[in-house]
Amino acid sequence: GAVVSQHPSRVICKSGTSVKIECRSLDFQATTMFWYRQFPKKSLMLMATSNEGSKATYEQGVEKDKFLINHASLTLSTLTVTSAHPEDSSFYICSALRGSGEAFFGQGTRLTVV
Amino acid sequence: AQTVTQSQPEMSVQEAETVTLSCTYDTSESDYYLFWYKQPPSRQMILVIRQEAYKQQNATENRFSVNFQKAAKSFSLKISDSQLGDAAMYFCAYRISYQLTFGKGTKLSVIP
Repeated sequence: GAVVSQHPSRVICKSGTSVKIECRSLDFQATTMFWYRQFPKKSLMLMATSNEGSKATYEQGVEKDKFLINHASLTLSTLTVTSAHPEDSSFYICSALRGSGEAFFGQGTRLTVV
Repeated sequence: AQTVTQSQPEMSVQEAETVTLSCTYDTSESDYYLFWYKQPPSRQMILVIRQEAYKQQNATENRFSVNFQKAAKSFSLKISDSQLGDAAMYFCAYRISYQLTFGKGTKLSVIP
């Protein structure tokens, strides 16, 4: 199957700093990628839809200025958590949509803000 | 609101036995796709099986099969000959216009 690589897999940062998470589709072009947040023992909650060459579409309740999404190429979307706080600690997962309509997921990033 | 409901937070099955995970959904759309995803302890989301809503035939992938009842908006997953490696969280999801909506998940344990 198609491969989506997410990096880093784990990151610890200090409160107030920013963290960038990358999501790459390695063997296909993805005009659309998605960013999810998953709390412990919970389901995936869609944060935003990332569209190549245009602004991301955020779900209700997700702060655009806090979770910056950039989709500058057909194989890369980035999520930057700005001015991170302990409550931002979570597991973040990206997925990339292939032309067939199939979604492939990255390995996820565990963010810990101390 | 469009929702996906998994009524079983946890299930267990004896190795080599069969288990069925339940899922119901609510949508007013007629064109959609249904999925079961597996999330093992590594937390990598893995597609188990998919079903197109317009197809009446139930999807099957080796030991995994679904019982799709469109009128009842039900989409259960049957795992036959359960293996230790099947232990994971299982999420039911549907997709409308490329956006996936997930249920809360069912944690499946496999007893040796």
